[in-house]
Amino acid sequence: QKEVEQNSGPLSVPEGAIASLNCTYSDRGSQSFFWYRQYSGKSPELIMSIYSNGDQEDGRFTAQLNKASQYVSLLIRDSQPSDSATYLCAVKGGRGSTLGRLYFGRGTQLTVWP
Amino acid sequence: EAGVTQFPSHSVIEKGQTVTLRCDPISGHDNLYWYRRVMGKEIKFLLHFVKESKQDESGMPNNRFLAERTGGTYSTLKVQPAELEDSGVYFCASSLRGAGTIYEQYFGPGTRLTVT
Repeated sequence: QKEVEQNSGPLSVPEGAIASLNCTYSDRGSQSFFWYRQYSGKSPELIMSIYSNGDQEDGRFTAQLNKASQYVSLLIRDSQPSDSATYLCAVKGGRGSTLGRLYFGRGTQLTVWP
Repeated sequence: EAGVTQFPSHSVIEKGQTVTLRCDPISGHDNLYWYRRVMGKEIKFLLHFVKESKQDESGMPNNRFLAERTGGTYSTLKVQPAELEDSGVYFCASSLRGAGTIYEQYFGPGTRLTVT
């Protein structure tokens, strides 16, 4: 079983729509969850962090966490063509020596068309 | 503030040769991480330094990989001898702290390694 799984893409939405990206994880001990955005050939860029159940909002981005369901999501409101990128879900290790490492999903490629 | 930098951006070597990748973390970040993305797969953890000490190297694939962080500043990752399956993008990341919950990791642009 993979540690982090993301909904398979690619995901295509029109400009102005809400893009919804989902992620599940296997380690119940994990406490920290991150969304990275990666443009082609560029470094993963941290866009959202979430540590508690519920919603975390930053501008057009909302991260949602449900630890009981081991589920993390990212909503992008009013999607723009510049949001077109691969979105990576990352989960921090939950115990012992793995506390430092991040476990990544394969990413979901998002295309926002004008 | 400068971000994480990596050198080189690309490297093409033949099987059996040696390659050394370099990472300079964000100034003041004690924690440095190496990750690798093989084509079609997810980014995978290789190892974690706290200052100059290896905190966790359980992700290193085999003993052909050697990472160092002398003086707790920049780090190098040497692959010797390189094999075809070592091809991929090697990312470095750094964070202010490591084991706490809230310490975010910031990534460099990666080194694309191609072994032919």
